[in-house]
Amino acid sequence: NAGVTQTPKFRILKIGQSMTLQCTQDMNHNYMYWYRQDPGMGLKLIYYSVGAGITDKGEVPNGYNVSRSTTEDFPLRLELAAPSQTSVYFCASALGGTNEKLFFGSGTQLSVL
Amino acid sequence: GQSLEQPSEVTAVEGAIVQINCTYQTSGFYGLSWYQQHDGGAPTFLSYNALDGLEETGRFSSFLSRSDSYGYLLLQELQMKDSASYFCAVRDRGKLIFGQGTTLQVKP
Repeated sequence: NAGVTQTPKFRILKIGQSMTLQCTQDMNHNYMYWYRQDPGMGLKLIYYSVGAGITDKGEVPNGYNVSRSTTEDFPLRLELAAPSQTSVYFCASALGGTNEKLFFGSGTQLSVL
Repeated sequence: GQSLEQPSEVTAVEGAIVQINCTYQTSGFYGLSWYQQHDGGAPTFLSYNALDGLEETGRFSSFLSRSDSYGYLLLQELQMKDSASYFCAVRDRGKLIFGQGTTLQVKP
């Protein structure tokens, strides 16, 4: 099993550009999450999904969009990138129910210049 | 909403025991988790407490008191490789909200 796979690992965007961060998991997990982590800070929840077709906002959803058309994939879309979106982005998944263990991808380092 | 508080930094020596505290406020509560993150890496799961009491996993233990909205992570027989950031996290329905993290520095 590959676990949680994120692409790309690094990306530089110009202000106003758009991009999609890809996340896929092969563990048949119901729950998937997107977090951002600024230097020296904790993880802030952007969006999450409890199953295919179901998404909901987290703590910092503005400037982002998600979709969950399949159990495996949970892409994060940045529209009109801004310097404030420079961060490390982590995707994570969990089986859900009473199983609390989150598995994280290796992260995407995004710079908006 | 949800909020979690944990100390920003803790320093200890190799072989010692250290406790990292976490207090939380949340409208709904399902459990308290702990994660470890080394510099430049992804967070990894350490433990989860849904009920009051102590959970032990090797050198690491985690405690929860729901009535006090408080938990802690206890690391025993500290090793240099334990130098990392430690995050508590609370589940509120589908959301998992993380604290700001505690940086643990282990000195020889």
